[in-house]
Amino acid sequence: DAGVIQSPRHEVTEMGQEVTLRCKPISGHDYLFWYRQTMMRGLELLIYFNNNVPIDDSGMPEDRFSAKMPNASFSTLKIQPSEPRDSAVYFCASTLGTGFYGYTFGSGTRLTVV
Amino acid sequence: RKEVEQDPGPFNVPEGATVAFNCTYSNSASQSFFWYRQDCRKEPKLLMSVYSSGNEDGRFTAQLNRASQYISLLIRDSKLSDSATYLCVVNPLGNQFYFGTGTSLTVIP
Repeated sequence: DAGVIQSPRHEVTEMGQEVTLRCKPISGHDYLFWYRQTMMRGLELLIYFNNNVPIDDSGMPEDRFSAKMPNASFSTLKIQPSEPRDSAVYFCASTLGTGFYGYTFGSGTRLTVV
Repeated sequence: RKEVEQDPGPFNVPEGATVAFNCTYSNSASQSFFWYRQDCRKEPKLLMSVYSSGNEDGRFTAQLNRASQYISLLIRDSKLSDSATYLCVVNPLGNQFYFGTGTSLTVIP
């Protein structure tokens, strides 16, 4: 299995631009999570899906952030417009069922907004 | 109060030393517990689950104390390659995991 695949690995964009991060979960996993990690705040859960349906988006910072999961093998996290304070590493993770076996993370997207 | 709290360290230990990390959690109904390892500029990776009876994997031992609501990770005979950040993870109910902010370990030659 290729694991959780995220793209791009790095993204540098100017303030005000739209940014789209992509994630392909492990095949068969029914839960998908988007996290953001910064030195100051650690890992923060932004949103998670079960069977492609958003379950909890209370961690999404504001309306500039949106996430979709159109099918079981693909999810996007969009920031529009982007701001410098959005600079962070964004991780996608997936798991099967109750998460008894833990999450598997993708390698992350390092976003820099200048 | 945070769901999960960890001492951020850093812990700087010589090769061969034994080091232990603790992590406390606030929700007594928590069901699953894990330790993750994160190397610099990499994603977190599952190190081991933590079972009620305690469990061991080579040089690593994880323990759970439900009465005091903490979990621990013991690393024996530290190697240079053990240098990383160790994240405590708690799953209260359902599928949302709560991550600690991590404990930084550096093993010194």
